[in-house]
Amino acid sequence: QKEVEQNSGPLSVPEGAIASLNCTYSDRGSQSFFWYRQYSGKSPELIMFIYSNGDKEDGRFTAQLNKASQYVSLLIRDSQPSDSATYLCAADDSGGYQKVTFGIGTKLQVIP
Amino acid sequence: NAGVTQTPKFQVLKTGQSMTLQCAQDMNHNSMYWYRQDPGMGLRLIYYSASEGTTDKGEVPNGYNVSRLNKREFSLRLESAAPSQTSVYFCASSEGTGFDQPQHFGDGTRLSIL
Repeated sequence: QKEVEQNSGPLSVPEGAIASLNCTYSDRGSQSFFWYRQYSGKSPELIMFIYSNGDKEDGRFTAQLNKASQYVSLLIRDSQPSDSATYLCAADDSGGYQKVTFGIGTKLQVIP
Repeated sequence: NAGVTQTPKFQVLKTGQSMTLQCAQDMNHNSMYWYRQDPGMGLRLIYYSASEGTTDKGEVPNGYNVSRLNKREFSLRLESAAPSQTSVYFCASSEGTGFDQPQHFGDGTRLSIL
């Protein structure tokens, strides 16, 4: 069973701080990794994806990938109350890239 | 641009009833998916269709059937609903042609089985 592990939280950070969300995955053959944001009662929406080792930046968001350690992270700079949501990490299935496995998500609370 | 459209948004069923959840995408995507999301369990794949004409089981297929009607539409059927199938159901789609293709989700169907 391929697994994507996330701490369910909640992770509480003050407004303006950096929020760091972490994820590990078990399928060493996974190539692509995705971060989704899900507000309560809403559907997941894609924030960004990464498939190369290192960092990928998009505005206040930075995704980091370390394939040797099977570790993915998402940094949110200058956190805002509107960033309060559950963040889902997903890794593609090396047996067929059309499928992904999702973690349970980390709930982030940004305190004003 | 509608993206992925799911119907209905809410449904209450009695144990043993059947129903079909509908999903349609207008992004010309090849792959479509059905997930269920339960508290503390995350998103679990029920069935997926890598391309038109094919369907495959996911992690939790028991009690469900699917039909890929055409490239746009992918339906999920509960033949005899059970309380354990109370959940939020999401349909998603992706281009499915490469390893860097994200999935795009519909708004979900909230299903309660009494």
